[in-house]
Amino acid sequence: GQQVMQIPQYQHVQEGEDFTTYCNSSTTLSNIQWYKQRPGGHPVFLIQLVKSGEVKKQKRLTFQFGEAKKNSSLHITATQTTDVGTYFCAGNSGGSNYKLTFGKGTLLTVNP
Amino acid sequence: GAVVSQHPSWVICKSGTSVKIECRSLDFQATTMFWYRQFPKQSLMLMATSNEGSKATYEQGVEKDKFLINHASLTLSTLTVTSAHPEDSSFYICSASQTSNQPQHFGDGTRLSIL
Repeated sequence: GQQVMQIPQYQHVQEGEDFTTYCNSSTTLSNIQWYKQRPGGHPVFLIQLVKSGEVKKQKRLTFQFGEAKKNSSLHITATQTTDVGTYFCAGNSGGSNYKLTFGKGTLLTVNP
Repeated sequence: GAVVSQHPSWVICKSGTSVKIECRSLDFQATTMFWYRQFPKQSLMLMATSNEGSKATYEQGVEKDKFLINHASLTLSTLTVTSAHPEDSSFYICSASQTSNQPQHFGDGTRLSIL
């Protein structure tokens, strides 16, 4: 079945440093979604990428979808302590299938 | 918009008890809802896809008779953990989306502890 690999598993940075997490799917995706889960909380939707090569920005966050629609990345510029949490990518293979396949997530910790 | 409510937030009960968890989409209709299980510091594992008016579709390895899912209306799905045992202790989260290829919106989750 479809697999979504995500690296790194953990990332610890100093406040102000940049951070990137990468996702790679074993199959071509219809779209990819990114979620953030704070410790003790539930996943919160961040963004959805649909088009090949798409790049979207949300303030200090930049999301990219690969040309082949099999990989994606999330880059945070100048991290802040509020960025702490686990970032998950989730791939949707499309069609009538609503299912998302989640990556294992990247836990980001930020040292003030 | 797109608010999903999940209840209860915490459950602590004795082994052998059945526990029912509700998931409601408050401001939209969800033909399909999803139930996930998450172990500490791990990713979300899809347990089943809940379809309004029909039987749920379970993922491989998930016991249908153990985890009963009912999707009675376009805004409500329930997960019942039957005869729960300590190994069923986990964080259960539901999600819903308005249509296919739309983002899933998650409930707050239910922390289930079986003593």
